[in-house]
Amino acid sequence: QVQLVESGGGVVQPGRSLRLSCVASQFTFTHSPMHWVRQAPDKGLEWLTVISSDGTKQDYADSVEGRFTVSRDNSRNTLFLQMNSLRPEDTAVYYCAREGHYSASSWGFFDFWGQGTLVTVSS
Amino acid sequence: QSALTQPASVSGSPGQSITISCTGTSRDVGAYDHVSWYQQHPRKAPKLMIYDVSNRPSGISSRFSGSKSGYTASLTIAGLQAEDEADYYCFSYTTSTTYVFGTGTRVTVL
Repeated sequence: QVQLVESGGGVVQPGRSLRLSCVASQFTFTHSPMHWVRQAPDKGLEWLTVISSDGTKQDYADSVEGRFTVSRDNSRNTLFLQMNSLRPEDTAVYYCAREGHYSASSWGFFDFWGQGTLVTVSS
Repeated sequence: QSALTQPASVSGSPGQSITISCTGTSRDVGAYDHVSWYQQHPRKAPKLMIYDVSNRPSGISSRFSGSKSGYTASLTIAGLQAEDEADYYCFSYTTSTTYVFGTGTRVTVL
């Protein structure tokens, strides 16, 4: 069964940095675009970023562009999210998710999610 | 990148059908068929219910169906059951090569 396991969350002061990791297993990681999604406490889901399967293309939500950077190490089946200049409003559970890609015209959805890792930005 | 608009809450009695709307623009829902729906129970990760507007993944009950007309996508749950009580989110690709979620709908089974 596909597994995505996030780590790296914790409590961090405003203005500081944090790097999240997501280790993937039981599927061919190099075939899948990967995303990060977050959910602030008692709020809805917010899409953050996507990285292509080979790591050459990334897109970001306006809310994090310039502060967050997504990357991947396909040799280690690992996805990363580098978060800089953190703000209290970045407090959320952060999920990594695999993009489903069932055919050339079937893509852009999440067929597997990790369990999430909590990031709390507070002084 | 404004969130897609969903009703905050929808409720129904067991056995009834309900429909959740998801309204976007010509830059997202109206532009592509890359619309999906997710169910989220409290303190759990979201779960894919519908992809590509109307396709169900393996293992998802046929009581769940999706459709789209113009700038509005819809999720219908037929034969409402207690376990359907959850939050539901739509999701769409956009012309900016980014993605956007809906505001979320709390489904209550009366």
